[in-house]
Amino acid sequence: GENVEQHPSTLSVQEGDSAVIKCTYSDSASNYFPWYKQELGKRPQLIIDIRSNVGEKKDQRIAVTLNKTAKHFSLHITETQPEDSAVYFCAASKSAGANNLFFGTGTRLTVIP
Amino acid sequence: SQTIHQWPATLVQPVGSPLSLECTVEGTSNPNLYWYRQAAGRGLQLLFYSVGIGQISSEVPQNLSASRPQDRQFILSSKKLLLSDSGFYLCAWGGGQETQYFGPGTRLLVL
Repeated sequence: GENVEQHPSTLSVQEGDSAVIKCTYSDSASNYFPWYKQELGKRPQLIIDIRSNVGEKKDQRIAVTLNKTAKHFSLHITETQPEDSAVYFCAASKSAGANNLFFGTGTRLTVIP
Repeated sequence: SQTIHQWPATLVQPVGSPLSLECTVEGTSNPNLYWYRQAAGRGLQLLFYSVGIGQISSEVPQNLSASRPQDRQFILSSKKLLLSDSGFYLCAWGGGQETQYFGPGTRLLVL
């Protein structure tokens, strides 16, 4: 099955700096890569996703890049703000059957004011 | 628009007691439904998924079970809770494409 690894497990940045979280996946058939943000005590919320026919996608301060050859994808947050502090999860899926998502272990991002 | 409900929001149960958590989805038909568990400070563990009424697949062996009696209803059960069953239980739905949306979750504490 699919195995998704996520690094780093914790990340602290100064407000205004950029943050980068990286994930690798093992199954070359995976073709959908969402990112979720989970604030303390809340549900994970989808913040951005990318499909394998695209190399990069941006939404305001958030961007995701995908390297299919190397089987890794990254989340980039620019101009970080204290409200970006949360746990971020990457995931991978292939468009088949139940479309199960395989999640990384999460990155706890702290933005220091 | 689609919404997903879970109840109860929090639950404290003694070891050995039964469990029933309910998840319902509105605004969509024939969704894929998922149950996840998240231990404190940990990642998301997929427990069960369902692609239709009465169709349940289990990802990990455990003392939990799931049922889907109606198209938009997904139930997580246990006959006898263990201490290790404590956690944050999240239901999610998918609309036939890969994206999954999570419910508000049930926080379960087994004492």
